Amino acid sequence: DTAVSQTPKYLVTQMGNDKSIKCEQNLGHDTMYWYKQDSKKFLKIMFSYNNKELIINETVPNRFSPKSPDKAHLNLHINSLELGDSAVYFCASSLGLAGDIQYFGAGTRLSVL
Amino acid sequence: SQKIEQNSEALNIQEGKTATLTCNYTNYSPAYLQWYRQDPGRGPVFLLLIRENEKEKRKERLKVTFDTTLKQSLFHITASQPADSATYLCALDMGTGGGNKLTFGTGTQLKVEL
Repeated sequence: DTAVSQTPKYLVTQMGNDKSIKCEQNLGHDTMYWYKQDSKKFLKIMFSYNNKELIINETVPNRFSPKSPDKAHLNLHINSLELGDSAVYFCASSLGLAGDIQYFGAGTRLSVL
Repeated sequence: SQKIEQNSEALNIQEGKTATLTCNYTNYSPAYLQWYRQDPGRGPVFLLLIRENEKEKRKERLKVTFDTTLKQSLFHITASQPADSATYLCALDMGTGGGNKLTFGTGTQLKVEL
């Protein structure tokens, strides 16, 4: 039973399209995150939600919009996709307290053509 | 902003030897420092956490040290095995709470050869 699951695993799309990635966690955690891992494997945080409330919003283009319908779900919608958006996107969750362990999903590999 | 560097992008060692990975950071010391393992096509998996007031932490064949004076953490895998081959990431948590924001290092790809 996967703790943090994200769909789809692969996403290939054309420039200019709009796409969404979904994430669900069954760990009962209060906090969820979106990370972007680029081609050099550098993992960088994008957003964090705690109990459906946005608490971390790094310097990310407005084309990226996270949505949390409840604390077990955090989706990422991307408008007007660009070539530079190609990366692996990871969802993660934690209890949200300082020093907590974060649990990651398997990632969504987005390729923008 | 915090900059984190991990030694060499890749590290090759022989089976049975001890692998030592380095994580150096600038600026302020984090309240917590975590190490994760990432296999190809998978998300990072937590290994060990060390607090700023701890010098060393162990778990089975793994050992982490934390030197806030040197601004460095060392991650050791003793009696390494081919199954230990993976990318290892260090991550800093400043401990400000409100959702623990982790800042990751660039990662070190470890390959353990027979």
